[in-house]
Amino acid sequence: GQQVMQIPQYQHVQEGEDFTTYCNSSTTLSNIQWYKQRPGGHPVFLIQLVKSGEVKKQKRLTFQFGEAKKNSSLHITATQTTDVGTYFCAGRETNAGKSTFGDGTTLTVKP
Amino acid sequence: EAGVAQSPRYKIIEKRQSVAFWCNPISGHATLYWYQQILGQGPKLLIQFQNNGVVDDSQLPKDRFSAERLKGVDSTLKIQPAKLEDSAVYLCASSSGLAGEQFFGPGTRLTVL
Repeated sequence: GQQVMQIPQYQHVQEGEDFTTYCNSSTTLSNIQWYKQRPGGHPVFLIQLVKSGEVKKQKRLTFQFGEAKKNSSLHITATQTTDVGTYFCAGRETNAGKSTFGDGTTLTVKP
Repeated sequence: EAGVAQSPRYKIIEKRQSVAFWCNPISGHATLYWYQQILGQGPKLLIQFQNNGVVDDSQLPKDRFSAERLKGVDSTLKIQPAKLEDSAVYLCASSSGLAGEQFFGPGTRLTVL
C-alpha cells in the first residue's frame, strides 16, 4: 500500500532560524495536504497542493509540490515560538481517495 | 460555525470491555472520517463515509471495530472487545467533499488497561 514518509522526525531550532520538513510518497499523488497539530490539540489544515511543481506561500510558510508529484516540502522562514507543533503531510493517490498521513515532524523553538 | 463535536473526550476501560465514541460533523459536510492516532504517529484512517455509505474501510479491524452513520449525519465508532494496543486518540473529521480540507474534532483519548 501507499506509504508517506516525513523527515526529520524532530527539529529543534533557535527562534529566528529557518525550518524545513520533507514529505515523500511511495506512489504518485493526486494532491497533498499539510496540517499542523499543536501539543495536546488536533490537526488543523494549512494548505492543499494539486499541481506538479506548485509553490504556495502563507506569510512565512512556503509549500512546494514536486514535479513528479511524489514529494513535498514545507519551509518556515524565521521561526517564532508560535510555530511549535507537529507538521503532517497527507497524500491522496486519487482525487477522492483516502488520505495517508505521514508520521509528522515535531518542531520545537527555543526563544 | 460550530466545529466537529466528539464525545467523550476521555475514556479509560479494561481490556476485553466495549467502548463507543460519538461524532457530530460540521453541518452540511457529507464526508466523515474516523482516524486512530497512536502517540508519536500520524493519524491512520479507519473508515471514511460519504453521506451514509462507506467509501473506505480497508484499515478497519473489522473483527473488533465497527462504525455507522445511519442518517448521514452523526456517527458512532465501537470497539468490542478492546485490546491494550487500542490505546490511542480517536479523531473524527469531516469535509464538504471527498477531496477537500478536513476539519478535525478534539478527539477521544482512549486508555485500555
